[in-house]
Amino acid sequence: DADVTQTPRNRITKTGKRIMLECSQTKGHDRMYWYRQDPGLGLRLIYYSFDVKDINKGEISDGYSVSRQAQAKFSLSLESAIPNQTALYFCATSVGFGSPLHFGNGTRLTVT
Amino acid sequence: GQNIDQPTEMTATEGAIVQINCTYQTSGFNGLFWYQQHAGEAPTFLSYNVLDGLEEKGRFSSFLSRSKGYSYLLLKELQMKDSASYLCAVGGGGGNKLTFGTGTQLKVEL
Repeated sequence: DADVTQTPRNRITKTGKRIMLECSQTKGHDRMYWYRQDPGLGLRLIYYSFDVKDINKGEISDGYSVSRQAQAKFSLSLESAIPNQTALYFCATSVGFGSPLHFGNGTRLTVT
Repeated sequence: GQNIDQPTEMTATEGAIVQINCTYQTSGFNGLFWYQQHAGEAPTFLSYNVLDGLEEKGRFSSFLSRSKGYSYLLLKELQMKDSASYLCAVGGGGGNKLTFGTGTQLKVEL
């Protein structure tokens, strides 16, 4: 779904490095989310934002931070990457209550 | 908190019908979603149930029983392209946060 764009698509980084994953959307949705997906663990919520001034921790926020620069942009940062942050990361948007999530194509991150 | 359980893997034959079950425990239930995810791709929305009963959408149907904490996704006239992971996700705990199950990997064989 090109309406939710994640960059980069793939990233390899070393332990201790700071990296940023970016997400932008043209859907006009207020709500944005960051999930990570690991084999056997499913999708887990890292952070979510209901509007530009609203940021909330998800179930696994330790080691991550986010910034909602505008309605259309929501970035995820790893301040000091560690190998167990190797995963597939998805950004998603939604209109609101009871509406489905619209996912970006994902960023595959490898921390060595 | 929320707990979601679905089978890890299922195999079915092309042209057949398959039912993927999902059981959940949650506080403040506000809907259940099913998503399809092909390997290496993003999940895509299939269906949403908030009231008890069956929702039908083409070859796909989804059922919900809130009192039993139970849902299923029914896929009819299976095609090879239906081979994918099917994710059950429950809304609850405020806002539009979803908790996902670990997914059911469906393999469709000839």
